[in-house]
Amino acid sequence: EIQLQESGPGLVKPSQSLSLTCSVTGYTITSGYDWSWIRKFPGNKMEWMGYISNSGSTNYNPSLKIRISITRDTSKNQFFLQLNSVTTEDTATYYCATYTYQGFAYWGQGTLVTVSS
Amino acid sequence: DIVLTQSPALAVSLGQRATISCRASQSVSISRYNLMHWYQQKPGQQPKLLIYRASNLASGIPARFSGSGSGTDFTLTINPVQADDIATYYCQQSRESPNTFGAGTKLELK
Repeated sequence: EIQLQESGPGLVKPSQSLSLTCSVTGYTITSGYDWSWIRKFPGNKMEWMGYISNSGSTNYNPSLKIRISITRDTSKNQFFLQLNSVTTEDTATYYCATYTYQGFAYWGQGTLVTVSS
Repeated sequence: DIVLTQSPALAVSLGQRATISCRASQSVSISRYNLMHWYQQKPGQQPKLLIYRASNLASGIPARFSGSGSGTDFTLTINPVQADDIATYYCQQSRESPNTFGAGTKLELK
């Protein structure tokens, strides 16, 4: 079974960069799916941030395009999120998930990131 | 971006039918494919895919969940509602990038 697990700092200072790792087991990230980052804000709004495809191409939400980067390490079967110049409005629970046109089928447990000085 | 509109909350009695709606600001259908999906989320848990492409039951999901709709109007039905179904339900479209989610409908007990 595919399993995803987010990891990274739970607290980031304003203006710094947020960096998260998604570790995947049970499936090789180059075999299929697109590998997404999604966040849920306090108050329950959910936002798709972007994905890296199984071939390594990326697609980002235009609302984040100048701040976001999604990369991968195929040797470790991991993919990564970097979000630059964070503000308190980036405080959210961050999820990694698999994506196809049949929806987001597999999700990590989520990790809360708080932006605060 | 495609905006998805859901009612904030729905109160239902156990054993009754719950109907949750989602309206898109433009069509999310391509040919015979309706690119709308439904998720259930309970507090402290990750979202769970219930229905994909409007009417297809995801793996392991009980048959009391069903979905319907096309174009801009979609419905998730739970019949009969069980105590374990108390959660927030989200619709999500993959017709156009960026993928977008509805604001969620909180299912509550009467």
